[in-house]
Formats: sequence, structure tokens, C-alpha cells
Amino acid sequence: LAKTTQPISMDSYEGQEVNITCSHNNIATNDYITWYQQFPSQGPRFIIQGYKTKVTNEVASLFIPADRKSSTLSLPRVSLSDTAVYYCLVGDSSNDYKLSFGAGTTVTVRA
Amino acid sequence: EPEVTQTPSHQVTQMGQEVILRCVPISNHLYFYWYRQILGQKVEFLVSFYNNEISEKSEIFDDQFSVERPDGSNFTLKIRSTKLEDSAMYFCASSEVQQTNYGYTFGSGTRLTVV
Repeated sequence: LAKTTQPISMDSYEGQEVNITCSHNNIATNDYITWYQQFPSQGPRFIIQGYKTKVTNEVASLFIPADRKSSTLSLPRVSLSDTAVYYCLVGDSSNDYKLSFGAGTTVTVRA
Repeated sequence: EPEVTQTPSHQVTQMGQEVILRCVPISNHLYFYWYRQILGQKVEFLVSFYNNEISEKSEIFDDQFSVERPDGSNFTLKIRSTKLEDSAMYFCASSEVQQTNYGYTFGSGTRLTVV
């Protein structure tokens, strides 16, 4: 499994864009990048996944440079309800059927 | 949006007692999982289950743990003789396919407190 490194915490204000960068220097060819969100006392929730370039859905965007050694989750115009822990996971889905969570990034959105 | 439902939301039990945590996965999902999260720590994989068999388990999932799909809708985790260190949030998850990049759906968890 590729090891991931992401900031422990980030603070933001309502209406701002939040960008969380995850480093995964030893990402393998078959690895996908997946992001989950976890609110306090809730289970993790799948946000977005990608392999390369850019992926966008109704919740977030995921930017992956050509070398794939990092990725950036972008949350547009955050609100107080986006306060959560965000996890970056990297793995080969064809061989690895369990999710390995790290410590994640605690994003705190203030009014 | 389909949900994974877990009951109870809170369970307090005495050390040495057996507990059964219940989950109702999403109806068309075929793969089921249990994870746990000790307070302030990472979410940890316990076990995956498919076609009425355990497909993978972690070192945490020792002989005190068992899983079962007793009928077409429920998926249970049994801890035979609870220890203080079993206190944690236990999350059930399910997926349509087993590949992790498709995303798993987690329940809201059961908070287990062993006293």
C-alpha cells in the first residue's frame, strides 16, 4: 500500500475554498486515489476517487498531477457543516479489498 | 440515498459479556465489512465477508470475534467475551463490488462501551 501524508489540520472560514494536499510518493501504477469524509460520531463517507488529471462531482474536485505523487482535494465554498476529518487513501483496488485509513486532515470551518 | 443501518447506536456491556452488533447493508450490495475506531484513533479494518464466508480478516479479528449473515438482510458482528480494550465505535460497511475505488458505504456506527 502506498503511504500517504496529509496535514493534520486546517482551518477555514465559511465561503472559502479549502484545498487539502496528500502526498503519495510511492504510488503504484494500478493505484487509485480515494477520499473519504468523516463527521464526528459518524462512519466515513466516500467523496471522490480518481486515477489521473481532474475529477469533479457535486461535492468536491480532485486534482492529480501527471506524476501522480500527490493529489489535492478541493472543497468549494465551504460551510460550517463541512467541518470533518478528510482521509486520503491510495491503493490497488484489483488486489486490495480493504480500506486503510490514516490519521486524516481535520478541517475546521468557522463562521 | 440508500443507507447502511446499524443497531444499537450505543451499547454498554460488562467485561466478559457477549455482544452482538447488527447491521443492515444496502440491499443490492454483496460485500460486507466491519471496521472499528477507538476514540481518537484511526479507522481500522476488521473483516470482509462475501458469499457467506470471511474473505479477509485483520490481526484484530481474533477468535473472540465472529460474523454472520443470519438471513437475507442482516449482517452481525459478535464479540464473545468483551474486554475493556474492545470499547470503540464499530462501523459496518457494504459495497456492490469489492474494488475499493468504487467506494464503500458506511453506517453511522455502534458505540460500544465495555465497563
